[in-house]
Amino acid sequence: DIQMTQSPSSLPASVGDRVIITCRASQSISTDLNWFQQIPGKAPKLLIYGTSSLQNGVPSRFSGSGSGTDFTLTISSLQSEDFATYYCQQSHITPYTFGQGTTLAIK
Amino acid sequence: QVHLVQSGAEVKKPGASVKVSCKASGYSFTSYFMHWVRQAPGQGLEWMGIINPRGGMATYPQKFKGRVTMTRDTSASTVYMELSSLRSEDTAVYYCARGMGMTTVTPDFDYWGQGTLVTVSS
Repeated sequence: DIQMTQSPSSLPASVGDRVIITCRASQSISTDLNWFQQIPGKAPKLLIYGTSSLQNGVPSRFSGSGSGTDFTLTISSLQSEDFATYYCQQSHITPYTFGQGTTLAIK
Repeated sequence: QVHLVQSGAEVKKPGASVKVSCKASGYSFTSYFMHWVRQAPGQGLEWMGIINPRGGMATYPQKFKGRVTMTRDTSASTVYMELSSLRSEDTAVYYCARGMGMTTVTPDFDYWGQGTLVTVSS
């Protein structure tokens, strides 16, 4: 199975900060990488698919990049509603696997 | 608009089985795959498998083979996930999530159900 490793696991941040979350795959997954946001008690929400495509309705402050094994999610200017947990996921080959999550916390 | 509505919370004893439903509306049910994902309390997300509602074929990860069965009822636009031989570690919220389209280019996991809490306890 492909292992997905995110860093950091938790990230204290402030409104207005530029935030970068990284995700590394244990083998090449081309650009088959998705990012999800999860607020406690809610279902995950797709933010970015195919490494860099923004899902409909997602603010443009979110962006993704990378290929092969190394990927990043960037939030250009953190808003209060962005404090949540973020997961990367590879959809290159089954079993689809998720990173362990990165929690953005208020500094 | 797309909606995925799941069945309610369940409490089961170890060794029992649970069957969770996910009713789809707002799109052509047989034109999109459906995934199941679970999340244990305070833990991350775990993919449990995918079903093609058109033909009913499902694919499961090795971890769940022999214990999970995904089925569908096209007349009710509903997919089901049954997990057997339950143990305490299966306590989790179970989600269905729409997969990619078979005839249109849409992303995987674009819509999710609200989640179903399954508690396994003696």
